[in-house]
Amino acid sequence: AQSVTQPDIHITVSEGASLELRCNYSYGATPYLFWYVQSPGQGLQLLLKYFSGDTLVQGIKGFEAEFKRSQSSFNLRKPSVHWSDAAEYFCAVGARYGGATNKLIFGTGTLLAVQP
Amino acid sequence: SQTIHQWPATLVQPVGSPLSLECTVEGTSNPNLYWYRQAAGRGLQLLFYSVGIGQISSEVPQNLSASRPQDRQFILSSKKLLLSDSGFYLCAWSSRGPGEQYFGPGTRLTVT
Repeated sequence: AQSVTQPDIHITVSEGASLELRCNYSYGATPYLFWYVQSPGQGLQLLLKYFSGDTLVQGIKGFEAEFKRSQSSFNLRKPSVHWSDAAEYFCAVGARYGGATNKLIFGTGTLLAVQP
Repeated sequence: SQTIHQWPATLVQPVGSPLSLECTVEGTSNPNLYWYRQAAGRGLQLLFYSVGIGQISSEVPQNLSASRPQDRQFILSSKKLLLSDSGFYLCAWSSRGPGEQYFGPGTRLTVT
């Protein structure tokens, strides 16, 4: 069955420190991969996406993610975290050939806290 | 550019009362539309999706229903709310075929 695992429920980092949020997926083929961010009480915002090509993708707000097929992973990174990055982060996968529906499977999220 | 709206932003309803949440999308045609529920600490649960007017697929059996009366309008309804219906409801849209979804600002529903 298709699934997405975000092993870390809650992470705390100091402002200015580097960040890596983990995402592992189970999928029959190479999926489309996404990272979303959600601030409290708001909708989800797309940070970045991987469809094909370069396995290191750049996103908004200084985030990047690397697709590693051998590890079925798509980890999110940022070299220096800002206090405004405190939020919940969701990894998602979608089918390349899912027909018209385009459903996504979401992980359970990682809540990021940033210490001053 | 495309914009997605949801209203109301917050809602407090008693158990047994009806529900109607509305979602509209601007700046695109023939979108796929989705309703999700997000309960505290439980991630996103896909409730319904629609690929066209009047075409609704349900993901989870429950006392909620959805309708799509117009191309860019998606409505989530209930005849009688339960306490367990409390949560944060998110509407999203996508283009046809593989790709990302774009989310609305959400509606916070509290059933008392």
